[in-house]
Amino acid sequence: KQEVTQIPAALSVPEGENLVLNCSFTDSAIYNLQWFRQDPGKGLTSLLLIQSSQREQTSGRLNASLDKSSGRSTLYIAASQPGDSATYLCAVGPLTGGGNKLTFGTGTQLKVEL
Amino acid sequence: NAGVMQNPRHLVRRRGQEARLRCSPMKGHSHVYWYRQLPEEGLKFMVYLQKENIIDESGMPKERFSAEFPKEGPSILRIQQVVRGDSAAYFCASSPPGGLSYEQYFGPGTRLTVT
Repeated sequence: KQEVTQIPAALSVPEGENLVLNCSFTDSAIYNLQWFRQDPGKGLTSLLLIQSSQREQTSGRLNASLDKSSGRSTLYIAASQPGDSATYLCAVGPLTGGGNKLTFGTGTQLKVEL
Repeated sequence: NAGVMQNPRHLVRRRGQEARLRCSPMKGHSHVYWYRQLPEEGLKFMVYLQKENIIDESGMPKERFSAEFPKEGPSILRIQQVVRGDSAAYFCASSPPGGLSYEQYFGPGTRLTVT
């Protein structure tokens, strides 16, 4: 059974810092990995999708890497801003079985302070 | 292109009543997933549907919960005889047809409160 863990559970940084969020998963038989952000009381916004054959994806100040063999992904946020404050979730999709049902981590709650 | 739409956004039901949650996928998307987020817990997969078919319902509670995605109209998650433990945020996501490689796009969720 796939289990996804995110460390740290919460993080507070001053504005402008570069930071790294970590995600680990127990079963390396994944098809893809997706990073989301969730604002309080809101839905999920997809940030980056990495296919299992890829090593990283970049979008603006965000860079996500994937090391499937070790069961790890990192989300790097450059020059953090107060608007980045949210909960960040990673989720993995299975290699086998129908569909792409995602298994989620419990998230890292990020606060970027002025 | 409107995003994934869910309604209602907030739903209050008394114990024993029925709850119906609706999800309209993005235009052109034929795959729908439902997830549940219990208080202080992560999102958990419930069910995966394509038009007129339930593909995977391995995450659905065995009783009182059902889902459908008819040929016309939104996908519906139905909870009969709700109990307090059903209070949660229910999210639906959609993705395009044709493969596993596509991102899932999430709706804003329906927050169900059972009193």
